[in-house]
Amino acid sequence: GAVVSQHPSWVICKSGTSVKIECRSLDFQATTMFWYRQFPKQSLMLMATSNEGSKATYEQGVEKDKFLINHASLTLSTLTVTSAHPEDSSFYICSARNLAVYNEQFFGPGTRLTVL
Amino acid sequence: AQSVTQLGSHVSVSEGALVLLRCNYSSSVPPYLFWYVQYPNQGLQLLLKYTSAATLVKGINGFEAEFKKSETSFHLTKPSAHMSDAAEYFCAVSRYSGGGADGLTFGKGTHLIIQP
Repeated sequence: GAVVSQHPSWVICKSGTSVKIECRSLDFQATTMFWYRQFPKQSLMLMATSNEGSKATYEQGVEKDKFLINHASLTLSTLTVTSAHPEDSSFYICSARNLAVYNEQFFGPGTRLTVL
Repeated sequence: AQSVTQLGSHVSVSEGALVLLRCNYSSSVPPYLFWYVQYPNQGLQLLLKYTSAATLVKGINGFEAEFKKSETSFHLTKPSAHMSDAAEYFCAVSRYSGGGADGLTFGKGTHLIIQP
């Protein structure tokens, strides 16, 4: 299968600061990337769908001004958590797909965000 | 709307014993169903998927799952557990009928413990 990486794998920041998380498809071009959020002992919740070169589509209840998503290239999508607060602490997971090549999405290892 | 329920947050079996992880779904359209496995510090890996071709689906690592429409279930089984099967398992349903390359709705996960 294809490989998706995330950076950083974990990050600790102070309340009020912004944090950027990168998601990269290493060996294929990802026309679409998804961002999920996972709370402890709970399921992954889809936050947004990001298509290369266009604005992300956010799920209901997800603040687009707080979770900025940029998909500027076919191998990179970024999620920026703006003015982070302790309640934003979570595990963020991205996945990537290219329907022309694979009929599935491939997941990154996730990023653990802790906001103090 | 679609949803997935995984019964049992933790399942413990002896090495060599049958593994049974339960998943029930709710969907207003014919569902596409998936099982993913997540090892520590790794991304989710697709075990198998049901896309209406056959009700009994065989996946990697000796796992299989049977789609039962009458029971709205998609339980995951493996005849003989191996120590390397210890991981977190997620059942998921595609939001659309287009397949696994779309945004997914996940269950809360089942932690599989293998006793020596």
